[in-house]
Amino acid sequence: DVVMTQTPPSLSVAIGQSVSISCKSSQSLVHSDGKTYLNWLLQNPGQSPKRLIYQVSNLGSGVPDRFSGTGSEKDFTLKISRVEAEDLGVYHCVQATHVPLTFGSGTKLEIK
Amino acid sequence: QVQLKESGPGLVQPSQTLSLTCTVSGFSLTSYNVHWVRQPPGKGLEWMGRMRYNGDTSYNSALKSRLSISRDTSKNQVFLKMNSLQTDDTGTYYCNSGFAYWGQGTLVTVSS
Repeated sequence: DVVMTQTPPSLSVAIGQSVSISCKSSQSLVHSDGKTYLNWLLQNPGQSPKRLIYQVSNLGSGVPDRFSGTGSEKDFTLKISRVEAEDLGVYHCVQATHVPLTFGSGTKLEIK
Repeated sequence: QVQLKESGPGLVQPSQTLSLTCTVSGFSLTSYNVHWVRQPPGKGLEWMGRMRYNGDTSYNSALKSRLSISRDTSKNQVFLKMNSLQTDDTGTYYCNSGFAYWGQGTLVTVSS
């Protein structure tokens, strides 16, 4: 199974700051169809997860452009520019290139 | 609009079988994949398995021997059955479509 190593486990940031979260995979996430199926999700407290980013860098529907995703092969980053209060929660990366699909362990974002 | 809703028993006795239903609307099960994901209290997300648009299924390696996913396209429903439940199967169970649309989740407690 592909292991997704997500860091840091937690972050505490002030409103308006920028932060980055890393996700590294144990294998390349480039699919045989040429696409890279790496998603970023945000789970606000008490809520279901919602998709922020798909295929590494594509913004999900209705997601503010303060969120951006970069990376390739085995190394991926989610960046949040100008953090807002509504961004608190747990961020998850999930790879959908290889079966079984696997999640990172999550990054908890707290607002200072 | 796209909606998914999980339903099933909130309480299951140890060693018994869990049966959950994901009822979808706003899209066809023959066009999109549906995944099952679970989350133990206070922990991260775990991919359980998926029903592909073409009827194929894939499973988490660790759960494969206990898990079965099926569907009824005429009723727009995807089913999860998992046997030999133990206390560490307690958690919130979600269905989602391509990680883009999620149900509200259903809490399953395994206890006698």
